[in-house]
Amino acid sequence: DTGVSQDPRHKITKRGQNVTFRCDPISEHNRLYWYRQTLGQGPEFLTYFQNEAQLEKSRLLSDRFSAERPKGSFSTLEIQRTEQGDSAMYLCASSPVSGLNNSPLHFGNGTRLTVT
Amino acid sequence: DAKTTQPPSMDCAEGRAANLPCNHSTISGNEYVYWYRQIHSQGPQYIIHGLKNNETNEMASLIITEDRKSSTLILPHATLRDTAVYYCIVRVAGGNQFYFGTGTSLTVIP
Repeated sequence: DTGVSQDPRHKITKRGQNVTFRCDPISEHNRLYWYRQTLGQGPEFLTYFQNEAQLEKSRLLSDRFSAERPKGSFSTLEIQRTEQGDSAMYLCASSPVSGLNNSPLHFGNGTRLTVT
Repeated sequence: DAKTTQPPSMDCAEGRAANLPCNHSTISGNEYVYWYRQIHSQGPQYIIHGLKNNETNEMASLIITEDRKSSTLILPHATLRDTAVYYCIVRVAGGNQFYFGTGTSLTVIP
């Protein structure tokens, strides 16, 4: 079990630049989630995929944010025209779809974004 | 999904049991209780979850009251590596999101 993998672990960028993060979920997990976490707060839901379909997006996901999961495996989260307020830890999680659908989410260790 | 209430911080002596409470008074019949913990600079780690019955695994025990309005996570022999923020979450079966609050910051004291 290689777990959920996120790349890069850290990213420093200047305001106005675009950044892209990658998430590789646990293999055979149908669902993939993106969360954002700021200092002192719990993770906040951004969006999730079931296979390649993006089924739900939070109001936190402004139009500068876009997420894809083109083949139902890995996912990317892109932030365009970054702002200082985008500085946060971006977490990816995955889960299988079980019969009872109560499977827990398994999280990666996140990508820490700093916008200067 | 129901909201949970947790104390912001707790201390526990190393080797003693750590009992972390959670109130979820508005929980509905099909909502599960999940516990996660997060060590600094890492992603949340799944610990345990349950619906009605008490649950135990290699990490912890989960005690859910009969009316399901509260639960307690028990770490039977706390070690320094258990120092972390612990999150209690309720989610409806098949629900798409986990709502994290601010959790309980547990400090295990030598």
